[in-house]
Amino acid sequence: NAGVMQNPRHLVRRRGQEARLRCSPMKGHSHVYWYRQLPEEGLKFMVYLQKENIIDESGMPKERFSAEFPKEGPSILRIQQVVRGDSAAYFCASSELAWETQYFGPGTRLLVL
Amino acid sequence: RKEVEQDPGPFNVPEGATVAFNCTYSNSASQSFFWYRQDCRKEPKLLMSVYSSGNEDGRFTAQLNRASQYISLLIRDSKLSDSATYLCVVNINTGRRALTFGSGTRLQVQP
Repeated sequence: NAGVMQNPRHLVRRRGQEARLRCSPMKGHSHVYWYRQLPEEGLKFMVYLQKENIIDESGMPKERFSAEFPKEGPSILRIQQVVRGDSAAYFCASSELAWETQYFGPGTRLLVL
Repeated sequence: RKEVEQDPGPFNVPEGATVAFNCTYSNSASQSFFWYRQDCRKEPKLLMSVYSSGNEDGRFTAQLNRASQYISLLIRDSKLSDSATYLCVVNINTGRRALTFGSGTRLQVQP
């Protein structure tokens, strides 16, 4: 049973470009969570999605960031017009049911030049 | 005040030592508690859940004190492979279904 998959593992963007991060949850999991980890800091919750629905986006920056989890395909975290401060590791986690244990993917490390 | 607070360490201990990590959380509505382990530049991995009655998994023992809003992790007979950052994680039940992470405590086990 494959775990949570994320791609790309590393992404380099120049300021002003768009970054798209993908997450495929574990098989049978319909709850997806995105977290961001800045260098030398703990993980911070960004958004929680179920299929086709955003349940909680209280941790998402108000501008430039969006997330989706379509009926088919992976969850996408999209960052428009990236800035240097967006450089971080972005982790996706999934769970079978709400409140159940969350399992993390390997993360995408975004570097903005 | 941070929602979940941990001593950042680092804790440098010799192989075979017993080491204890502490964590406090601020929201009394917190429902679930976990210890995760994160190796350098890797994803967090669940180490164990923490229950009010305390629980043990091999060399690892976790305790929860709801009255003091305090969680602990005890590692006995430390191995070199235990070197990592240990994250105290709380699921705060205010309608949000997300985990709140402490900043982590770094452990370095030395030969």
